[in-house]
Amino acid sequence: QVQLQESGPGLVKPSDTLSLTCTLSGGSISGYYWSWIRQSPGKGLEWIGFIHYSGNTFYNPSLKSRVSISIDASKNHFSLNLASVTAADTAVYFCARSPDSDVWSGYYDYWGQGTLVTVSS
Amino acid sequence: EIVMTQSPATLSVSPGERATLSCRASHYVSSNLAWYQQKPGQSPRLLIYRASTRAAGIPARFSGSGSGTEFTLTISSLQSADSAVYYCQQYNEWPPLTFGGGTKVEIK
Repeated sequence: QVQLQESGPGLVKPSDTLSLTCTLSGGSISGYYWSWIRQSPGKGLEWIGFIHYSGNTFYNPSLKSRVSISIDASKNHFSLNLASVTAADTAVYFCARSPDSDVWSGYYDYWGQGTLVTVSS
Repeated sequence: EIVMTQSPATLSVSPGERATLSCRASHYVSSNLAWYQQKPGQSPRLLIYRASTRAAGIPARFSGSGSGTEFTLTISSLQSADSAVYYCQQYNEWPPLTFGGGTKVEIK
């Protein structure tokens, strides 16, 4: 059974970089597309971006200047970095998988439980 | 960016009755639409993809329909376990992928 688990600091200071990792168990990171999505009361569900096993990435244009997603297949995990954070970046951050190997499906069949990140001094 | 609008914001339905949720896209998205269910404190759960295909393990009382810009999620006979927020998501035109604002289904 595929399981995803987000990890990282729950509190980040304004202007710092938010860094989260999503670790996969019960499956292989190879061949699939892996995404980050966040949810805040003010903006609902917001797609951040995805990375393919090959390293190809696509980001939300509204965040593109600040976001970076990377993958480490040897550790079966992928990571999110979001720079220059403000209070508006406070949200629950989810990692998720698109279901089809080597084909971008566009939707998500497995999600992590989510991790709350608060931006505050 | 394609804007997804869901209605109503809240739907109150008695057990055993039908619940009909709507999702409208600001531009054509073909059948590239998914529905998710989210309960408090949980991550979203995939219900429907390609507008009308049920995901693995999803009960037959959940059905999706529509194409283009107008979509519907129907829960044919509401159960107490169906109390949740439901989101639609388009994946026809990206980046970015976009989600609707959600419909909260309450049990009367």
